[in-house]
Amino acid sequence: KAGVTQTPRYLIKTRGQQVTLSCSPISGHRSVSWYQQTPGQGLQFLFEYFSETQRNKGNFPGRFSGRQFSNSRSEMNVSTLELGDSALYLCASSLGGTSNQPQHFGDGTRLSIL
Amino acid sequence: QQQVKQSPQSLIVQKGGISIINCAYENTAFDYFPWYQQFPGKGPALLIAIRPDVSEKKEGRFTISFNKSAKQFSLHIMDSQPGDSATYFCAAGQTGANNLFFGTGTRLTVIP
Repeated sequence: KAGVTQTPRYLIKTRGQQVTLSCSPISGHRSVSWYQQTPGQGLQFLFEYFSETQRNKGNFPGRFSGRQFSNSRSEMNVSTLELGDSALYLCASSLGGTSNQPQHFGDGTRLSIL
Repeated sequence: QQQVKQSPQSLIVQKGGISIINCAYENTAFDYFPWYQQFPGKGPALLIAIRPDVSEKKEGRFTISFNKSAKQFSLHIMDSQPGDSATYFCAAGQTGANNLFFGTGTRLTVIP
């Protein structure tokens, strides 16, 4: 069974630009969560999508947004990039439902802002 | 505010020894406590998880101990091996909300 796939693996952008990251979950998984990982703040939850609807949202500005498609694939968009947005962005998928199901992570997209 | 506090920040253990990493939480609504292992350049990989209805869970060389009254849980790695050298994260979540709150991580080094 293929794992969570994130593309691209690396991205370099400049301040003010926008970026879109992609995540393909494990087959059969309907929940996709996004996390930001930085050396200073650690792993922080961005948002979760389930059945094409945002179900939970973390404490990030509105510049961070996402969506989920009918095949459960998800995209995350960051607009007006800032230097502080440089991070590893991780996607995790799980079966979903109301009880906590194990979340399985992809290897992330490393975003560098110049 | 850090919802989950993890210690130590780094740990050096001899091969064959026991590695112990501790975590504490405040939110009594948390009812799911997973541990993740992360190697450089990789995403976190789920190791083992526990729910508060049990005090201990063992999978191979990895054991979670859970103390509900103290709001603490820990990971024990028995017979630590050099291949266990990685960063370990504890996390906490609650039913109905699929977001996890992570500890700050412990960098484990196992010396041959």
